[in-house]
Amino acid sequence: DAGITQSPRHKVTETGTPVTLRCHQTENHRYMYWYRQDPGHGLRLIHYSYGVKDTDKGEVSDGYSVSRSKTEDFLLTLESATSSQTSVYFCAIRSTGGTEAFFGQGTRLTVV
Amino acid sequence: DQQVKQNSPSLSVQEGRISILNCDYTNSMFDYFLWYKKYPAEGPTFLISISSIKDKNEDGRFTVFLNKSAKHLSLHIVPSQPGDSAVYFCAASPYGNNRLAFGKGNQVVVIP
Repeated sequence: DAGITQSPRHKVTETGTPVTLRCHQTENHRYMYWYRQDPGHGLRLIHYSYGVKDTDKGEVSDGYSVSRSKTEDFLLTLESATSSQTSVYFCAIRSTGGTEAFFGQGTRLTVV
Repeated sequence: DQQVKQNSPSLSVQEGRISILNCDYTNSMFDYFLWYKKYPAEGPTFLISISSIKDKNEDGRFTVFLNKSAKHLSLHIVPSQPGDSAVYFCAASPYGNNRLAFGKGNQVVVIP
């Protein structure tokens, strides 16, 4: 299994509170991604990173920010959580010139 | 705007028969295509991929076919086994860009 860990695995938070999800890899892969999975929508890209401090927006980036200060860590922050951000969040990593991306186990976030 | 489309969200097939999953894409810059398999409460796992320079790739029971002119790919699983019951995602990556765009997924149920 690819060395990728997401934390926390489950979280319940209140509307309006900030939330940070962490993705940690031990593979030294260049590319890291955050996706959310929702019924009827599949996997949608939120943000991705192509190196330390290099990030770009995905298709559903509104309400989310990311940071990557080290190769191994990619943080996803919901500045002020809303109920529409209740979802399962997946982190993925991919090497330079690599083909497939490897996914973490996911974080189930519930905003009440 | 969904660039990778998977219609027919669910498929039921008898054990031992063939499962065929279809995927259409709209972005002519996509040059690498992947299929992922996902069990409940787990992250997606890579199954098989194909480059745009090929029209077929085979790996054991799994074969992916690519028709570039029709912007269409399909995944064949033969023979289908109960352990193949999962959600299958089609994904695509554009040339010169490491984004991965996913479809909405197909639920496959293999009946013993």
